[in-house]
Amino acid sequence: DAGVIQSPRHEVTEMGQEVTLRCKPISGHDYLFWYRQTMMRGLELLIYFNNNVPIDDSGMPEDRFSAKMPNASFSTLKIQPSEPRDSAVYFCASSEGWGGTDTQYFGPGTRLTVL
Amino acid sequence: AQSVAQPEDQVNVAEGNPLTVKCTYSVSGNPYLFWYVQYPNRGLQFLLKYITGDNLVKGSYGFEAEFNKSQTSFHLKKPSALVSDSALYFCAVLFNYQLIWGAGTKLIIKP
Repeated sequence: DAGVIQSPRHEVTEMGQEVTLRCKPISGHDYLFWYRQTMMRGLELLIYFNNNVPIDDSGMPEDRFSAKMPNASFSTLKIQPSEPRDSAVYFCASSEGWGGTDTQYFGPGTRLTVL
Repeated sequence: AQSVAQPEDQVNVAEGNPLTVKCTYSVSGNPYLFWYVQYPNRGLQFLLKYITGDNLVKGSYGFEAEFNKSQTSFHLKKPSALVSDSALYFCAVLFNYQLIWGAGTKLIIKP
């Protein structure tokens, strides 16, 4: 398996623009997680899905952020409008199950820079 | 409050020497503990986890971690460091179906 795939790897945009990050989880994994990593706040869970259904979105910072999972092999994280403080590395991860004992497999991340 | 502390921002070790990366946690109930490693410009990779059983857990790349309930610690160890072990290491504890992450420790192995 190719692992978790994220695109783009790097995104530079201007404040106010819409940004869409994409993720393809490992085939057969029922759980998908979106994380944000910054120097100031470390690694934060934004939202996670089980069988394409959002389970916990309490980490989504504000209404400008939205995430969807239209099918088992694709998820998007959208920021509209983007702001400079959204600059971070965004990771997608997936796991077979999530009782806590399962391993999360991370994608390579998308480095977002908002000017 | 549930939390994970990695008290050292950076650890420097000479190649061939043993290494320890420290982690302490605070969580109610029995802890599920994890170590992940992040190489530059890469995602996090799973190293090992403690769920139950033997306090000494062995993981990938020769790493191991020791769970100490009385000290609420889960330190990562390796008997002989390699230059290629240089990376950012994260400890995490499970709480309410979410991983609570430490801030990370940068490990630098010098030849």
